[in-house]
Amino acid sequence: GDSVTQMEGPVTLSEEAFLTINCTYTATGYPSLFWYVQYPGEGLQLLLKATKADDKGSNKGFEATYRKETTSFHLEKGSVQVSDSAVYFCALSEGAGSYQLTFGKGTKLSVIP
Amino acid sequence: NAGVTQTPKFQVLKTGQSMTLQCAQDMNHNSMYWYRQDPGMGLRLIYYSASEGTTDKGEVPNGYNVSRLNKREFSLRLESAAPSQTSVYFCASSDMDRGLLGNQPQHFGDGTRLSIL
Repeated sequence: GDSVTQMEGPVTLSEEAFLTINCTYTATGYPSLFWYVQYPGEGLQLLLKATKADDKGSNKGFEATYRKETTSFHLEKGSVQVSDSAVYFCALSEGAGSYQLTFGKGTKLSVIP
Repeated sequence: NAGVTQTPKFQVLKTGQSMTLQCAQDMNHNSMYWYRQDPGMGLRLIYYSASEGTTDKGEVPNGYNVSRLNKREFSLRLESAAPSQTSVYFCASSDMDRGLLGNQPQHFGDGTRLSIL
C-alpha cells in the first residue's frame, strides 16, 4: 500500500537557518503530494501541494518539488523564523477523486532566537 | 471564518462509557473525515464520508461508528470506550466537487483531546 516516510525529528535550528525536511513516498499510481503544518494546540493546515511530477508547491517562503524519479517531496525554507516552530506532515493522495490521505509521522521543528 | 468546528475540545471518560464527538463545517464541502493522532504515528483515518448519506471505513475503524447527519455534520461515536482509544481526534472536510483539478486539500478542526481511564 501507500506510505510516506519523513525524517525523524525533532529538528532544532537557529533563526535564519536553512531548513530541509526530507519526505519520500511509495505509491502505486501518480499521487498528489502535500505538506501540512500543525501549530501547538491546533489542527493541521495545508502548507503547500503539488499534483504532478516536477511541480513546485510554495507558500510562506516554504517550497517543495515533486520528484517522481526519486519519489521525494522535500520541504525547504531559506531562512526560518521562530514562528515556524511547529510539526510538519508530508502526505499523499492517490489520483484524482481519491478520498484518503496517507500521512507521514510528522517532524517537529523548533526554531530558537 | 469558522471552517471546521469540533466539540468538545477535551473529554475524560471511564472505560466502557459511550460518547459522541461532534463535527460541523460551514464550507459546503461534500466530503468529511475522522482521524486519530497518536504520538509517533501521524494521523490515521478512522472513517470518511464522501458525500451526504454515505460513509466508509478507513484504516482504523474498529470500536467506532459514524453518522453523516446532513451535509454540514459528521459525528463519531465510541460505544464502549477503551484505554487504547485515548488519542487526539481530528475532523476534516474537503471539496471533492473540484476533483477534476486534482486532489483537494482537507481542512481540519482544532481537535478533541480524549482520555479514557
